[in-house]
Amino acid sequence: GDSVTQMEGPVTLSEEAFLTINCTYTATGYPSLFWYVQYPGEGLQLLLKATKADDKGSNKGFEATYRKETTSFHLEKGSVQVSDSAVYFCALIFMIKAAGNKLTFGGGTRVLVKP
Amino acid sequence: NAGVTQTPKFRVLKTGQSMTLLCAQDMNHEYMYWYRQDPGMGLRLIHYSVGEGTTAKGEVPDGYNVSRLKKQNFLLGLESAAPSQTSVYFCASSYGGDSNQPQHFGDGTRLSIL
Repeated sequence: GDSVTQMEGPVTLSEEAFLTINCTYTATGYPSLFWYVQYPGEGLQLLLKATKADDKGSNKGFEATYRKETTSFHLEKGSVQVSDSAVYFCALIFMIKAAGNKLTFGGGTRVLVKP
Repeated sequence: NAGVTQTPKFRVLKTGQSMTLLCAQDMNHEYMYWYRQDPGMGLRLIHYSVGEGTTAKGEVPDGYNVSRLKKQNFLLGLESAAPSQTSVYFCASSYGGDSNQPQHFGDGTRLSIL
């Protein structure tokens, strides 16, 4: 079945450090890929997405590139802030109209940015 | 600008009790979903609905029932709560089944079963 694997956290960084969170997937076919972010006490928010190979999603200084050859969608940010402290989830979707867009999530990576 | 609203936010139950979690969305979305979030396991789909009056099983449906009597509401029921159902429950909705349509999430319901 489809699955998403993320690096385990927590990841602890200092402000202005470079952040990378690895995400790899297994799936039959070509899913769309997403990163969601969950701030403390809140639900998940869509951070960025990519719908086909070599697409780059970007938002709020975060970037991720859909790499079909390595089945990866690693999240990066060049200079993190304390406000980026959150749990980050990698997810994939297959377009199955009759069944809705069913997300498959990774286990989440907690990121803690210290001042 | 409410989006997806879940009630209640917290609840503690005893084993064997029943309860219903309510999800309401004001975005006229066709698709709605219930997930549970457990440490290290991401979110797992319990049940989902592709329109008013329809429901379907997700990845972990056992012990739960759902109903979608109105387009804007999606109810998740636990008929006889078990400690294994202690979790954080998230509701989500999306405009359509297209993978370009992102899911919008509520803030979650933290449920503890003693």
